[in-house]
Amino acid sequence: QSVLTQPPSASGTPGQRVTISCSGSNSNIGSNTVSWYQQLPGTAPKLLIYSNNQRPSGVPDRFSGSKSGTSASLAISGLQSDDEADYYCAAWDDSLYGLFGGGTRLTVL
Amino acid sequence: QVQLQESGPGLVKPSQTLSLTCTVSGGSISSGAYYWSWIRQHPGKGLEWIGNIYKSGSTYYNPSLKSRLTISVDTSKKQFSLKLSSVTAADTALYYCARVNPVDGRYFDYWGQGTLVAVSS
Repeated sequence: QSVLTQPPSASGTPGQRVTISCSGSNSNIGSNTVSWYQQLPGTAPKLLIYSNNQRPSGVPDRFSGSKSGTSASLAISGLQSDDEADYYCAAWDDSLYGLFGGGTRLTVL
Repeated sequence: QVQLQESGPGLVKPSQTLSLTCTVSGGSISSGAYYWSWIRQHPGKGLEWIGNIYKSGSTYYNPSLKSRLTISVDTSKKQFSLKLSSVTAADTALYYCARVNPVDGRYFDYWGQGTLVAVSS
């Protein structure tokens, strides 16, 4: 069981906006930044969001992140079929241990 | 462009030691304030952080693996390595190496493609 809690699944239709939540505690999300990763089938995870809401170069602005207290969210607007993937949140705890959420499988209907 | 590549045996016998190496290209392990990390993914499951190493050799280990784990770095070869002892079938997983960027928080900005390790007799 992961320390960071994500819903196991999410879905939406093309063009829709979907959000994925990530819940932690004061010792991880509450006091450190959150990053998000996209894992397409059969590939390595790819950095999608860092520092709660920053996008690396090349990541479309359809992807956005936010954090409030001990929870964070990833929002995907203008959903596309290519967005069908597993999404993971990550944070560090105050002891410098890395933590991942259990992952959310996004299905584009 | 930084690239990471895992290498090592794809099959390890139970009770033996799993050894993997990650080779970094397009950048230096000894430059910058980056950490270098190992992460694994059990078949069909989520990501599990294994541990980090800094260029100085300082390490941070997942408490659940700490008693069996050694991560080391060879800056001259631009490599860092993982050794996990006394493996069981539960250690069968896809193992990734990644770079941890400490700017504006800590996050995994570059990943290797992953290498599958099976523990079986």
